[in-house]
Amino acid sequence: EAGVAQSPRYKIIEKRQSVAFWCNPISGHATLYWYQQILGQGPKLLIQFQNNGVVDDSQLPKDRFSAERLKGVDSTLKIQPAKLEDSAVYLCASSPRAVNTGELFFGEGSRLTVL
Amino acid sequence: DQQVKQNSPSLSVQEGRISILNCDYTNSMFDYFLWYKKYPAEGPTFLISISSIKDKNEDGRFTVFLNKSAKHLSLHIVPSQPGDSAVYFCAASARGDMRFGAGTRLTVKP
Repeated sequence: EAGVAQSPRYKIIEKRQSVAFWCNPISGHATLYWYQQILGQGPKLLIQFQNNGVVDDSQLPKDRFSAERLKGVDSTLKIQPAKLEDSAVYLCASSPRAVNTGELFFGEGSRLTVL
Repeated sequence: DQQVKQNSPSLSVQEGRISILNCDYTNSMFDYFLWYKKYPAEGPTFLISISSIKDKNEDGRFTVFLNKSAKHLSLHIVPSQPGDSAVYFCAASARGDMRFGAGTRLTVKP
């Protein structure tokens, strides 16, 4: 079974530039998450999708971050314009269950460095 | 707001001995608790979980204990192996809202 795929693995940009990350969840997984993990901290939820609808985006900085999940499969996370504090690993995860009482399946992450 | 706390950033253990990783939480609404393991340059992978209606769950060398009155859970690894060296994240979920601790880096020395 293929895992959660993310790209790019690494991205370096200057502040005020834009960046986009892509995620392909495990086939058949209805729920998709984007997490931000800053160095030395645990993953922090940015947004949760159930199929192509948003379940929770309360911690997403909507003035600069946006995410979509077209057709309920792949998802993209965009940051525009980027700030220095956005430097982090962006983790995509999926789950077959609507209510998360089970484990999440994470991708390898996309490491963003903002200079 | 740190609802899930792992107060030990690192732990070093000799191979064959027991590793005990601790986690505290503040939100009494959490009803499911999980441990994830993370190797460098990889995403976290699920290790073991426990429902709030239980106080212990065991899977091979890994056992998770939950003390609801103390809002504390722990992960025991017995015996510890060098391949267990990784960062371990504690996570807690309340109706689908999952929060993670900052992680504990476990080093198992041969």
